[in-house]
Amino acid sequence: GQNIDQPTEMTATEGAIVQINCTYQTSGFNGLFWYQQHAGEAPTFLSYNVLDGLEEKGRFSSFLSRSKGYSYLLLKELQMKDSASYLCAALDSNYQLIWGAGTKLIIKP
Amino acid sequence: GAVVSQHPSRVICKSGTSVKIECRSLDFQATTMFWYRQFPKQSLMLMATSNEGSKATYEQGVEKDKFLINHASLTLSTLTVTSAHPEDSSFYICSATYAAGGPYEQYFGPGTRLTVT
Repeated sequence: GQNIDQPTEMTATEGAIVQINCTYQTSGFNGLFWYQQHAGEAPTFLSYNVLDGLEEKGRFSSFLSRSKGYSYLLLKELQMKDSASYLCAALDSNYQLIWGAGTKLIIKP
Repeated sequence: GAVVSQHPSRVICKSGTSVKIECRSLDFQATTMFWYRQFPKQSLMLMATSNEGSKATYEQGVEKDKFLINHASLTLSTLTVTSAHPEDSSFYICSATYAAGGPYEQYFGPGTRLTVT
């Protein structure tokens, strides 16, 4: 079956760095997305990786290893507004998004 | 660019009534629209996928006669929850994608919170 695993919850301190991991098992693979979702709001796009390696975009970076079925989202210089759920989603061979349950990130001052 | 709107943002209805939720792509033509449901502290659950002018494809376990989806144009899709019951109370989110928008990136609407009393 198809499956996405990510931690349920993480806590970090303002100004620090946090890495949110995601492992996936899908029927075929056409890329991996990370979305941010604040409570009561819809998800917003953060990143897309289809090739191995690290993609950096400001304070956020996303990494992919296709051979390991693994990705992570790295958030630097954490701000209180980064408190949100972070959703990992893999695009399968039918171009359907398989969603993880999300990681709730709590930022403490 | 790539803005998706939803209306209404919140709705409260009585058990047994029907509720219609609209999803519009404001500045692009959406080749495909998706409807999701999200219960508190849970991830998104895909309900159905719809392409303009054709019938929606429903995910397993989603009652197509209860959740009516109409995708009449490239910029509008509607979800009607028929004979709503309290267990249908949830956060309903639509998203849209278009071929030129990148790797099937989905653009999400702001969501509709439905409460059935």
